[in-house]
Amino acid sequence: EAQVTQNPRYLITVTGKKLTVTCSQNMNHEYMSWYRQDPGLGLRQIYYSMNVEVTDKGDVPEGYKVSRKEKRNFPLILESPSPNQTSLYFCASSRQNSNQPQHFGDGTRLSIL
Amino acid sequence: DQQVKQNSPSLSVQEGRISILNCDYTNSMFDYFLWYKKYPAEGPTFLISISSIKDKNEDGRFTVFLNKSAKHLSLHIVPSQPGDSAVYFCAAHAGSTLGRLYFGRGTQLTVWP
Repeated sequence: EAQVTQNPRYLITVTGKKLTVTCSQNMNHEYMSWYRQDPGLGLRQIYYSMNVEVTDKGDVPEGYKVSRKEKRNFPLILESPSPNQTSLYFCASSRQNSNQPQHFGDGTRLSIL
Repeated sequence: DQQVKQNSPSLSVQEGRISILNCDYTNSMFDYFLWYKKYPAEGPTFLISISSIKDKNEDGRFTVFLNKSAKHLSLHIVPSQPGDSAVYFCAAHAGSTLGRLYFGRGTQLTVWP
């Protein structure tokens, strides 16, 4: 089954404690992206990757890091999480062509206390 | 500075009637537009898209209209069904390959019997 898998699905943690949200896709997609969804703000792109070792900033990259060492994985790293990063996070993947829709994971709800 | 705007946070429609969801954009470089649907506790799923070389695209009950001169697109759902109740996001990007993708803030559609 084609899917995008995010882990963990839920996490409550404290300010400053480094965390990583993993994202894996099994569709051999070139393009992967991270978004956060906040009430009243919709989906905002954090980082995206056009292919292995190619990453670029989206709308709200501050406080986040990403890496793309393998095609299937695109982890999101919060080196020193802060309460304003409490949000619902989505990973997505697709073929690189513009007419290819993105497949989204089911989301990761992060609470930073 | 939001480049994709959905000015109606919510829309309520009776079952069987037409739902019209609107989206405006400011960046004239956008040439590909997509609609995603999102149910609670799930990731967004692709619904329908349109390229800037077209002004209409249909898929079953869903039709997207693009008015480039007005920088406006709309999603029509006919007839509306209770299962269509969800948040609908409009998204746009520029270029032949995916990169930065801009989402609106979403419209909550409620279809009542």
